Amino acid sequence: EVQLVESGGGLIQPGGSLRLSCAASGFTVSSNYMSWVRQAPGKGLEWVSVIYSGGSTYYADSVKGRFTISRDNSKNTLYLQMNSLRAEDTAVYYCARDLTPWGQGTLVTVSS
Amino acid sequence: DIVMTQTPLSLSVTPGQPASISCKSSQSLLHSDGKTYLYWYLQKPGQSPQLLIYEVSSRFSGVPDRFSGSGSGTDFTLKISRVEAEDVGVYYCMQGIHLPPTFGPGTKVDIK
Repeated sequence: EVQLVESGGGLIQPGGSLRLSCAASGFTVSSNYMSWVRQAPGKGLEWVSVIYSGGSTYYADSVKGRFTISRDNSKNTLYLQMNSLRAEDTAVYYCARDLTPWGQGTLVTVSS
Repeated sequence: DIVMTQTPLSLSVTPGQPASISCKSSQSLLHSDGKTYLYWYLQKPGQSPQLLIYEVSSRFSGVPDRFSGSGSGTDFTLKISRVEAEDVGVYYCMQGIHLPPTFGPGTKVDIK
């Protein structure tokens, strides 16, 4: 069964850093394109970043230069390193394999 | 970025009755490979989004046949032939032809 489990969210002060993890099972992360999508409280969906099987990465303008997507093939895990966090980064962060499935999400709250 | 719009933004439906959601994109989603990269997701209350329809009209595995997608170019429609209680949630269209992938604002469907 294909499964994605995110972790690493929490409460962080503005300007701080967090690393989200997305542990995958039932498939190989490096053989698929993997994305991060976020959803601010009560709001819609916003694509954040993607890493393709070949290693190319792309970012939304809103996070470019602050967030880094990566993967550890030995752990079959996707990551999102988030630096210089802002209040507007507060959201549930989902990882997704290709178009589906999505994980259950991890909440990041940026607040002092 | 491609802007996705949806109408209506909310819909209250009597069980057993049909429902229809419109999605429009600011640019054509028809790729030179002949495919149209328009997707529909449903986010049920408290859950992560789940893929319903890919490439305009193909139902994802396990999706009931009461869901159907249609359209071309920039205009698309999701139809539910007979709404059931389990269909409540927020429906999002998404374009995948150009980075960044962008989502519509969502259509909230509830039961009368």
